[in-house]
Amino acid sequence: EPEVTQTPSHQVTQMGQEVILRCVPISNHLYFYWYRQILGQKVEFLVSFYNNEISEKSEIFDDQFSVERPDGSNFTLKIRSTKLEDSAMYFCASRGGTGKYETQYFGPGTRLLVL
Amino acid sequence: AQSVTQPDIHITVSEGASLELRCNYSYGATPYLFWYVQSPGQGLQLLLKYFSGDTLVQGIKGFEAEFKRSQSSFNLRKPSVHWSDAAEYFCAVGLGGGGNKLTFGTGTQLKVEL
Repeated sequence: EPEVTQTPSHQVTQMGQEVILRCVPISNHLYFYWYRQILGQKVEFLVSFYNNEISEKSEIFDDQFSVERPDGSNFTLKIRSTKLEDSAMYFCASRGGTGKYETQYFGPGTRLLVL
Repeated sequence: AQSVTQPDIHITVSEGASLELRCNYSYGATPYLFWYVQSPGQGLQLLLKYFSGDTLVQGIKGFEAEFKRSQSSFNLRKPSVHWSDAAEYFCAVGLGGGGNKLTFGTGTQLKVEL
């Protein structure tokens, strides 16, 4: 069964450093998402991406964040200058494009720790 | 803005007992409703979803959920719990449309006693 994959599974970085989290969505999917889950809190929407542009973003997704689909398979989330409060589990998800009833499928997550 | 409430943070049941996990949502119209499960070290796996039609939906692993419009609820049930069901369960709502972002509840951690 096709699945969403994410790398790395864990990332430790120093405050102020840039990090890039990588995702390989399901191959025929057209919509891509990033969510995050701070330890002990709920899963929160960050951004959705379709047709090579952001279709929606939350207030969390400020200028420090960016997303990109650099080739036909990868979908990346970049945090330009990490803060302590960026420590969280980051989930990538993808959705097929056959209609609004399509379901989002999630990857296993990247646990980011900012020191 | 839509919101999702899962009032039970932790639930413990004995193996073989029945299970009901509660979920209430707040939204002006009927949203799309989902239950996801997260096992330790794993991603979010879809258990079931409701878009329209029959209000009782069947999912994987023997789970079902019932949409009750009058109560704004979408509770997850299983008649007989297995030890492997121990995990965290998330209810989520989506509004459809192009972006179709999901709004999640805080999750319910299920522990199964043997």
